[in-house]
Amino acid sequence: DIQMTQSPSSLSASVGDRVTITCRASQGISNYLAWYQQKPGKVPKLLIYAASTLQSGVPSRFSGSGSGTDFTLTISSLQPEDVATYYCQKYNSAPSTFGPGTKVDIK
Amino acid sequence: EVQLVESGGGLVKPGGSLRLSCAASGFTFSSYSMNWVRQAPGKGLEWVSSISSSSSYIYYADSVKGRFTISRDNAKNSLYLQMNSLRAEDTAVYYCARDHYPRGSSSLPYWGQGTLVTVSS
Repeated sequence: DIQMTQSPSSLSASVGDRVTITCRASQGISNYLAWYQQKPGKVPKLLIYAASTLQSGVPSRFSGSGSGTDFTLTISSLQPEDVATYYCQKYNSAPSTFGPGTKVDIK
Repeated sequence: EVQLVESGGGLVKPGGSLRLSCAASGFTFSSYSMNWVRQAPGKGLEWVSSISSSSSYIYYADSVKGRFTISRDNAKNSLYLQMNSLRAEDTAVYYCARDHYPRGSSSLPYWGQGTLVTVSS
């Protein structure tokens, strides 16, 4: 099975900072990659699918890129409401594995 | 509006069984693949199982294969997860989630609120 890794596992940044999270697949998955945001005590929310397509209603400060094995999620200007854990997920074929998550908080 | 409402969670002893349900509304249930995703307390998301629209294709995570059974009733707009031989490590919030598009593999834009399963003696 394809394994998903994320880095860093956690980060602390200031409001307004540019934040980048990396997700890596152990084998190529084309662009079958989604990013989710989960705030404490809340249900996961889809941010980006097909590696770079912004889900409807998601602020434009979120963007995704990559293809094959290496992907990034970028928050162009971190806001207080972005405090959350971010997960990548591959969905090219079963199992639809999630990455271990990256916890983002405000410095 | 898409709505997914899980039920059936609770406290069960190790080795016991539980059946989760997910009632769907606001979309043509019979057109979409459905999924179960779980999250152990303080841990990350774990995909558990998926079932295609007509139940032709069913997949499981290795951690539950042989113990859990996913099924659906398109006439009742309902998704199920039969969980047998439960272990302490199955303790988690179980989410029902819908595929993005009717065909092919896709991301999960719609999630239920989750139902908590606790396996403990």
